[in-house]
Amino acid sequence: NAGVTQTPKFQVLKTGQSMTLQCAQDMNHEYMSWYRQDPGMGLRLIHYSVGAGITDQGEVPNGYNVSRSTTEDFPLRLLSAAPSQTSVYFCASSYSERAAEQYFGPGTRLTVT
Amino acid sequence: GQQVMQIPQYQHVQEGEDFTTYCNSSTTLSNIQWYKQRPGGHPVFLIQLVKSGEVKKQKRLTFQFGEAKKNSSLHITATQTTDVGTYFCARNTDKLIFGTGTRLQVFP
Repeated sequence: NAGVTQTPKFQVLKTGQSMTLQCAQDMNHEYMSWYRQDPGMGLRLIHYSVGAGITDQGEVPNGYNVSRSTTEDFPLRLLSAAPSQTSVYFCASSYSERAAEQYFGPGTRLTVT
Repeated sequence: GQQVMQIPQYQHVQEGEDFTTYCNSSTTLSNIQWYKQRPGGHPVFLIQLVKSGEVKKQKRLTFQFGEAKKNSSLHITATQTTDVGTYFCARNTDKLIFGTGTRLQVFP
């Protein structure tokens, strides 16, 4: 049981490049979400999904796309990277949107130059 | 959005001293969760409080939910160096929104 996995661990992009951050969980969780963490800003919700085929926007969705074709996977796409997207990205999952415990992945540290 | 504010932003304590972080909301919360993030790590769930006035303890950690369900606190008794990290509260409705966090540093 691997829990929540994220790849890559580190990534450097040039402004304007696109990429996908991968997130997978093997706990059969319905709810998955993406956060970004910047110094002094805490964790801000980007997008979330309450089940396969259903996604919704969080606090800071601009510049990011998501899809949820399977229960296990919830990739985050940066369409045209900007320096403001330099951050640490965390994926999380739980049994449902009302479940008490969210399980977080180890994070992806992204730098956009 | 419905902000959840945390104070203080930073706290430095000597090992053995107590520590408290406070979480405040302008609106009534259905529940409040607390997470700990070690330096370089990811957030780890500590507890969820649901009832008005609820108090829960985990060893040296005491969690409280206010009577009006608009504030919460986490108190650590006799801090240890293993308590170092950032403590976040989070409100959970149909999505989990985090407070800004309190970073705790413990000096031996």
